[in-house]
Amino acid sequence: KAGVTQTPRYLIKTRGQQVTLSCSPISGHRSVSWYQQTPGQGLQFLFEYFSETQRNKGNFPGRFSGRQFSNSRSEMNVSTLELGDSALYLCASSFFPTGTSGSDEQFFGPGTRLTVL
Amino acid sequence: GDSVTQMEGPVTLSEEAFLTINCTYTATGYPSLFWYVQYPGEGLQLLLKATKADDKGSNKGFEATYRKETTSFHLEKGSVQVSDSAVYFCALRGNYGQNFVFGPGTRLSVLP
Repeated sequence: KAGVTQTPRYLIKTRGQQVTLSCSPISGHRSVSWYQQTPGQGLQFLFEYFSETQRNKGNFPGRFSGRQFSNSRSEMNVSTLELGDSALYLCASSFFPTGTSGSDEQFFGPGTRLTVL
Repeated sequence: GDSVTQMEGPVTLSEEAFLTINCTYTATGYPSLFWYVQYPGEGLQLLLKATKADDKGSNKGFEATYRKETTSFHLEKGSVQVSDSAVYFCALRGNYGQNFVFGPGTRLSVLP
């Protein structure tokens, strides 16, 4: 069974640009969560999607947005990039949404390393 | 809100040494507790978990016991290997539909 895949693996952008990151969950998984990982802030929750609906959202500005398609693939978009957006963006999938029975484990992808210059 | 605190790293040990990484949490209700491991260049992998008080999670020689009285979930291993070098994250998930909350991570380096 293929794991969670994220594309691209590395990305370099300049301030003010926008970026779209993609995540393909494990086959059959319908919940996708996104996290931002930085040395200073650690792992911070961005949002979670389940069956194309956003279930939860972390404390990030509106420049960060996401969506999920009918095949459970998810994208996140960051507009008007800032230097502080440089981070490793991790996607995690699970069969059930977080907080429901059987949803304890999330499977993480390798991440997309975004560098903003 | 919910939070997780981990001991500061990095932790450097010699091979076959005993490992303890402390983790304490603040949460309402009865959260589930997890340890994740991140090897260089990879995403996080679930190492072990415990879903109720006094449960012990174990995997690959690592163990952690859910201690509600001390709100702790310390990670232990009796004899570490070089291949255990990684960053370890303690995490919790509340039982009211909340998201995962991760600790800052503890980097472990094991020297041969």
